[in-house]
Amino acid sequence: DADVTQTPRNRITKTGKRIMLECSQTKGHDRMYWYRQDPGLGLRLIYYSFDVKDINKGEISDGYSVSRQAQAKFSLSLESAIPNQTALYFCATSSSQGVGDTQYFGPGTRLTVL
Amino acid sequence: GEDVEQSLFLSVREGDSSVINCTYTDSSSTYLYWYKQEPGAGLQLLTYIFSNMDMKQDQRLTVLLNKKDKHLSLRIADTQTGDSAIYFCAETPWNSGNTPLVFGKGTRLSVIA
Repeated sequence: DADVTQTPRNRITKTGKRIMLECSQTKGHDRMYWYRQDPGLGLRLIYYSFDVKDINKGEISDGYSVSRQAQAKFSLSLESAIPNQTALYFCATSSSQGVGDTQYFGPGTRLTVL
Repeated sequence: GEDVEQSLFLSVREGDSSVINCTYTDSSSTYLYWYKQEPGAGLQLLTYIFSNMDMKQDQRLTVLLNKKDKHLSLRIADTQTGDSAIYFCAETPWNSGNTPLVFGKGTRLSVIA
């Protein structure tokens, strides 16, 4: 089984809809991250959490919110989706006891907003 | 703030060596990483190097670090079509206890048969 899983893997939705992307991990890591990937722009950090009670904004948090329901779960919400949020979204985890901030990634969720 | 720069594209012939370059701005970086993203997949950790090392070799992969010039490179020997992917360079900033990795925009490696 994969250590970092994301659901759904693909989602097509309409402008204005609320969307939740979910991430679960079995690695026992305390830190979790949400990124989006757009062609030519690389990875951009949306939000990150260093433990269950910790939430931090990343580079591009506007239009997004997150919830860290448990150490193993970190969900990303788009309250009112818009077309420029069409992208590939990745969840990642790392351990505060690990090497640097070595991150391990999920397989990604491809989101299309029409 | 910290910045990591990479060229966006590299094309090589099968069997040749590939060299992917990266520059970073934070001279206090502790760990530097290379990740690989195959089409339709997430990022996979390839290797990392600690800042007090100059070189690290792992089978066909060689990582070179020039701290003076803040330059990191990844050499892939005998490049194969399966090496076609996007390669991301990343660094752990000095205050690595509190700051996530900083990623470059990725270099797309195309291997021509």
